[in-house]
Amino acid sequence: QVTLKESGPVLVKPTETLTLTCTVSGFSLNNARMGVSWIRQPPGKALEWLAHIFSNDEKSYSTSLKSRLTISKDTSKSQVVLTMTNMDPVDTATYYCARTLYSYGPSEDYWGQGTLVTVSS
Amino acid sequence: EIVMTQSPATLSVSPGERATLSCRASQSVNSNLAWYQQKPGQAPRLLIYGASTRATGIPARFSGSGSGTEFTLTISSLQSEDFAVYYCQQYNNWRGTFGQGTKVEIK
Repeated sequence: QVTLKESGPVLVKPTETLTLTCTVSGFSLNNARMGVSWIRQPPGKALEWLAHIFSNDEKSYSTSLKSRLTISKDTSKSQVVLTMTNMDPVDTATYYCARTLYSYGPSEDYWGQGTLVTVSS
Repeated sequence: EIVMTQSPATLSVSPGERATLSCRASQSVNSNLAWYQQKPGQAPRLLIYGASTRATGIPARFSGSGSGTEFTLTISSLQSEDFAVYYCQQYNNWRGTFGQGTKVEIK
């Protein structure tokens, strides 16, 4: 059974750095057929893709947020970590991690429940 | 960055009717297009990947078509559980972008 679960702070202050952890089970972060992505969704708004990490540790980032994002993984712990620097109230959103399957065109086939992060002083 | 444009923003449909949702890419994404359904308070659910392949467990009333820049999601006969927001997503050079969503509401 594939599961993903996000964890991290519910409240961060402006200018702080956000660190979120995605703990996965039911698949390996070493599996070459899949990776893990982070996606966010501001309240009442659309989904926004943020970053992806491959099994070989290569990374891909949103063009608009690349300077603020870092994605990494700890295969032994089955965890993927996303950091976002210089947080602003507009970054208030539900942050999801998801498994990305590469077959016949990439897609996010399993999602975590999401974690709401509020940016406020 | 590839921009995905979905239309219409809101679609009002009666149960049992057919719904057709459109998604346009600002440049070709080949068949690297997925569709997701999202209900309030829930994470998105994968419906279609590779533009036209249904994900595991997705009913046959959902179908996807298109390639290049123009894509369509069709729900052949809307059920009560299908009223939700639908997003298209592309991956190009391993960067993904989502459309702004189409809300399918009860007419």
